[in-house]
Amino acid sequence: QVQLVESGGGVVQPGKSLRLSCAASGFTFTSYAMHWVRQAPGKGLDWVAVISYDGDDKYYADSVRGRFSISRDNSKNTLYLEMNSLRAEDTSVYYCARDPTPIPRHYFDSWGQGTLVTVSS
Amino acid sequence: QSVLTQPPSVSAAPGQKVTISCSGSSSNIDNNYVSWYQQLPGTAPKLLIYDNNKRFSGIPDRFSGSKSGTSATLGITGLQTGDEADYYCVTWDSSLSAVVFGGGTKLTVL
Repeated sequence: QVQLVESGGGVVQPGKSLRLSCAASGFTFTSYAMHWVRQAPGKGLDWVAVISYDGDDKYYADSVRGRFSISRDNSKNTLYLEMNSLRAEDTSVYYCARDPTPIPRHYFDSWGQGTLVTVSS
Repeated sequence: QSVLTQPPSVSAAPGQKVTISCSGSSSNIDNNYVSWYQQLPGTAPKLLIYDNNKRFSGIPDRFSGSKSGTSATLGITGLQTGDEADYYCVTWDSSLSAVVFGGGTKLTVL
């Protein structure tokens, strides 16, 4: 079955960097676009970024554009989120989520369990 | 403040019906497909409805979706205590070139 497992979360100081990973299994990773979605403690869901099946197309939320970078390694079935210049307001559980087609249709048919990122001094 | 507007909370008794609204604009709901998600406490979200009104695999027909103009609606009939959760609407915003979420609606089954 489809499995998405995030890792890389933790406590980081403001201004520092962190890289999240999402290991995919149970499906043909190269056939799907992928997203990152986050959720601050006690708050609603907030979309972060999407990448097409081949990595050629990427879109970002205004709040992270220029600081975060989404990428994928199809040879490793892994999605990444490189987060730079982290701010307190980036504190969230970060979920990776699968889009149902290679080119994004912008909905999410499978989700990981999430990894918590805490930005604090 | 979310691009899509949902009521913060709704409630109804077991067995009853409830609707959750999602209001947007011409740059999002009016010209793009809407999806709906259920998030049970402490868990990852789960897809309920996609393409405005299509139920995802395994979702019972108690759940339904509709769209008209700049608004979408999630309907749940035969409410069960297990339906208590947060519900979110999602779509693409063509002006922002971004996926946008509603603020979420907490459903209480009294």
